[in-house]
Order: sequence, then C-alpha cells, then structure tokens
Amino acid sequence: EAGVVQSPRYKIIEKKQPVAFWCNPISGHNTLYWYLQNLGQGPELLIRYENEEAVDDSQLPKDRFSAERLKGVDSTLKIQPAELGDSAVYLCASSLGEGADTEAFFGQGTRLTVV
Amino acid sequence: AQKITQTQPGMFVQEKEAVTLDCTYDTSDQSYGLFWYKQPSSGEMIFLIYQGSYDEQNATEGRYSLNFQKARKSANLVISASQLGDSAMYFCAMRETLAGGTSYGKLTFGQGTILTVHP
Repeated sequence: EAGVVQSPRYKIIEKKQPVAFWCNPISGHNTLYWYLQNLGQGPELLIRYENEEAVDDSQLPKDRFSAERLKGVDSTLKIQPAELGDSAVYLCASSLGEGADTEAFFGQGTRLTVV
Repeated sequence: AQKITQTQPGMFVQEKEAVTLDCTYDTSDQSYGLFWYKQPSSGEMIFLIYQGSYDEQNATEGRYSLNFQKARKSANLVISASQLGDSAMYFCAMRETLAGGTSYGKLTFGQGTILTVHP
C-alpha cells in the first residue's frame, strides 16, 4: 500500500513568489495534517483536516498561508508571498480514526528554500 | 509551557550498547497517547512505539521499549543493542483529547534528540 506522497521533494524560490505543496494521504485516511519543521526542531502543526473540514488551523499564518482539501482526499498548502523565514520542511501526515493511539503516517516532506 | 520536553539535544552511544532518550510531558488529561518517531537524515518520520496512558505495562517493539512513569510524566525511549542505522533524530510526541471532548486532536512533538551511534 502506498504511503503518504508529497511533491515536490525540494523547492527553491525567490522571496515574494508564491509556492504550493501537494499531499496525497493514505487511501481511506480521514485525517490529514500539515506540519512545519524548522531545522533541528520538532514538527509544529499548521492545519488539521477531518475529511474536507479544517478543524484546527489556529497555527496557520492566514495572511500568507492557505490550504485546501477538496473532496476530503488530496490537499494543497500554499504560501503567497513567500518570505525568507518560510524556509523549512513541510510535512504532510494522515491518520485513520480518532483514538489516543491513532498513529500518524508521514510523507517525506517538501524542503522549501526561499532566497 | 512546553507540552513535550526532550532535554538531550544530542546523545552518543557505542554500537551494541543500550541508550535511553528522555521525554517528559505536560497534560491535565487522564487519557492520552505517547509516541516515539525516528527521523533519519532522509527526512521521513518513522513510527517506533506507542504507550497509552492507561497501559499498565511498558510498551515494547523489538529493540525499542518505553519506560513509562506516569506519576513523573515521563516516557523515555530505550534502544537496546544499538546499531549504526539507529543514528537519527528521535522525537517524542503526545496526543491529547480535544477540550471538552472525547476525540483526540493533533500530535504535539518535542524538540528532538539527535542520536549518534559509534562503531
């Protein structure tokens, strides 16, 4: 079974340009997460979806970041305009169920460099 | 206050020796889940082991075991017989109940510990 797929793996853009990341979760997983991971730190949640509904976007900088999960499957995360401080790894994860033991499965991430 | 605290930025261990990676957590929930993930240099997050707050026995998965001390709010990962391939970043994470509800929300991660295994 395919895992969480993210693309692109790497992206280099100039500041003030837009950028978009794509995530395809594991088939059947109703919950999808976008995490931001700065170098040498732990992932921090940006947004969590239950099916197509964003149920936790409190940490998403809404002035420049947006996300969508059409039809409750694939998701895109967009930054417009990008800033130098947005350079980081963007991780997508998915899970099935709502229990305390629900494991999140992660993609390989998109490493963004803003120059 | 940090929800998950990993006080060891880096740890070194000799191949075939055991190593303990520390994790303390902060929650007022009675029901929660604790996870350990491994992140090699390639970047993917690999699930290692899970401990539920109501589990009376420490979790074990192969060479990984979790030293769970609920009263002290600690969930240390023990890796026995370290291998060179264990060199990676290790993250402790917790899933708590949502406020006022019975479902569980996001995974909250600690800052991580870089483990280096020496031959």
